[in-house]
Amino acid sequence: SYELTQPPSVSVSPGQTARITCSGDALPKQYAYWYQQKPGQAPVLVIYKDSERPSGIPERFSGSSSGTTVTLTISGVQAEDEADYYCQSADSSGTITVFGGGTKLTVL
Amino acid sequence: QVQLVQSGAEVKKPGASVKVSCKASGYTFTSYDINWVRQATGQGLEWMGWMNPNSGNTGYAQKFQGRVTMTRNTSISTAYMELSSLRSEDTAVYYCARDDAFDIWGQGTMVTVSS
Repeated sequence: SYELTQPPSVSVSPGQTARITCSGDALPKQYAYWYQQKPGQAPVLVIYKDSERPSGIPERFSGSSSGTTVTLTISGVQAEDEADYYCQSADSSGTITVFGGGTKLTVL
Repeated sequence: QVQLVQSGAEVKKPGASVKVSCKASGYTFTSYDINWVRQATGQGLEWMGWMNPNSGNTGYAQKFQGRVTMTRNTSISTAYMELSSLRSEDTAVYYCARDDAFDIWGQGTMVTVSS
């Protein structure tokens, strides 16, 4: 079955840049999406179609794609960005949706 | 505003079924697919399947084939997810989410399976 691989954790100091990667064989063919989830809350879409930012999401959130890896970048990290982040995409056929295992972002 | 509002928490015994509802408002219900995702405590997000509210067409993750049924009532802009033959491992928060982008999420419904 298709899998997306994320690092379990990333730690940065306030004001630094956090980069969270997501790897999967079908990513060159399928768009990736990123979600932020804080404790006790539903996930929130922060990046869609690899690099598009929904309205209301701060400009410090950006996304990029290179081959079989997509990256969520948070520039100038703030304490409020501490959360779990999940990537999501589809398998090569486009019929099965998969989430990455999630990355816990810690702001030191 | 655009939102999805889910039904309340459920407690079920092993072997029973649960049906969770997801009411859409603020947009045309039949214009966007509805996905269902679950999350066990302390675990990641797990996609269960999708439904096209216009046609009623569905697609389920292999893990849930034969146990899950996704339906809708367009007259009240509501989607449903029914999971049968419940076991303790099905204890989780169940979410509905809109469209391929999962751009709008419901607030979640806690389903507890316990004898």
